[in-house]
Amino acid sequence: EAQVTQNPRYLITVTGKKLTVTCSQNMNHEYMSWYRQDPGLGLRQIYYSMNVEVTDKGDVPEGYKVSRKEKRNFPLILESPSPNQTSLYFCASSLWTSGVNEQFFGPGTRLTVL
Amino acid sequence: AQSVTQLDSHVSVSEGTPVLLRCNYSSSYSPSLFWYVQHPNKGLQLLLKYTSAATLVKGINGFEAEFKKSETSFHLTKPSAHMSDAAEYFCVVTRNTGNQFYFGTGTSLTVIP
Repeated sequence: EAQVTQNPRYLITVTGKKLTVTCSQNMNHEYMSWYRQDPGLGLRQIYYSMNVEVTDKGDVPEGYKVSRKEKRNFPLILESPSPNQTSLYFCASSLWTSGVNEQFFGPGTRLTVL
Repeated sequence: AQSVTQLDSHVSVSEGTPVLLRCNYSSSYSPSLFWYVQHPNKGLQLLLKYTSAATLVKGINGFEAEFKKSETSFHLTKPSAHMSDAAEYFCVVTRNTGNQFYFGTGTSLTVIP
């Protein structure tokens, strides 16, 4: 089944404790992206990647890191989480061939930073 | 610069009546536009997309949207609401190069039986 998977689905942590949220897709998509969703703000793009070893900042990159060493994986790293990073996080992927293609979204990761 | 404004944060309709969810966009470039739906505690699913072909776009589950460049709008409509349409709807804009995506703040649709 074609899908985007994220782990963990739920995470409660404390301020300053480094964490990684994994994202993997099995559709051979070139493009991958991370978003955070906050009430009343919609989804905001954190980072995106056009292909392996190619990443760029979205609208709200502060406090986050990403890497794209393999085509299928795009982990989101919070080196020193803070309470304002409490949010619902979505990973997405899409083809990057001709034109703009729809993004396929993962199920989300709900992160609470105490 | 690009942005999206969803004009209503909440819309309530009776089952069987038409649905109208409004979206205005701002883009310095020729845009591509999407509508996504998010059911409670679920991920996002594409309803439809506009990428500079036909201005009237048909999507899944009877939804459609019309791209109006003169009005910078991309409103989502459905002739007859169903209970299963109750969800959060997001309008999204990107450039035709499609690397950065900008979401509206969402419209919550309630369908009254």
